[in-house]
Amino acid sequence: EAGVAQSPRYKIIEKRQSVAFWCNPISGHATLYWYQQILGQGPKLLIQFQNNGVVDDSQLPKDRFSAERLKGVDSTLKIQPAKLEDSAVYLCASSPDRGATGELFFGEGSRLTVL
Amino acid sequence: DQQVKQNSPSLSVQEGRISILNCDYTNSMFDYFLWYKKYPAEGPTFLISISSIKDKNEDGRFTVFLNKSAKHLSLHIVPSQPGDSAVYFCAASEDFGNEKLTFGTGTRLTIIP
Repeated sequence: EAGVAQSPRYKIIEKRQSVAFWCNPISGHATLYWYQQILGQGPKLLIQFQNNGVVDDSQLPKDRFSAERLKGVDSTLKIQPAKLEDSAVYLCASSPDRGATGELFFGEGSRLTVL
Repeated sequence: DQQVKQNSPSLSVQEGRISILNCDYTNSMFDYFLWYKKYPAEGPTFLISISSIKDKNEDGRFTVFLNKSAKHLSLHIVPSQPGDSAVYFCAASEDFGNEKLTFGTGTRLTIIP
């Protein structure tokens, strides 16, 4: 079974530029998450999708971050304009409905450096 | 407000000995807890979980203990192996099946051969 795919793996941009990250979840997984992990901290939930609807985006900085999940499969996370404090690893995760262990399956992450 | 805390940023243990990683939480609504393991340049991978109706769950070399009254859980690895060297994250959710997880800051475990 293929895992969660993310791209790009690394991105370096200057502040005020824009960036987009792409995620393809495990086939059949209805729920998709974007997490932000700043160096030295644990992952923090940005947004949760159930199929193509948003379940929770309460911690998404909506003035600069946006995310969509068209057709309930792939998702993109966009940052525009980027700030220095957005430097982090952006992790995408997916889960089946009512999985046996409640676990999330994570991708390898997209590391963003904002200069 | 850090609802899930891992107060030890790092831990070193001799190979073959027991590794004990600790986690504390403040949100009394949490009733499902998970441990994730993370290698460099990889995403976190699920290790073991426990529901609040239990106080212990075991899977091979890994055992998680939950003390609800103290809002404390721990992960025991016996015996520790070099491949266990990684960052371990404690995570919690308000109910099983709600996979909205709150993570701790992680503990870097180093197993010394």
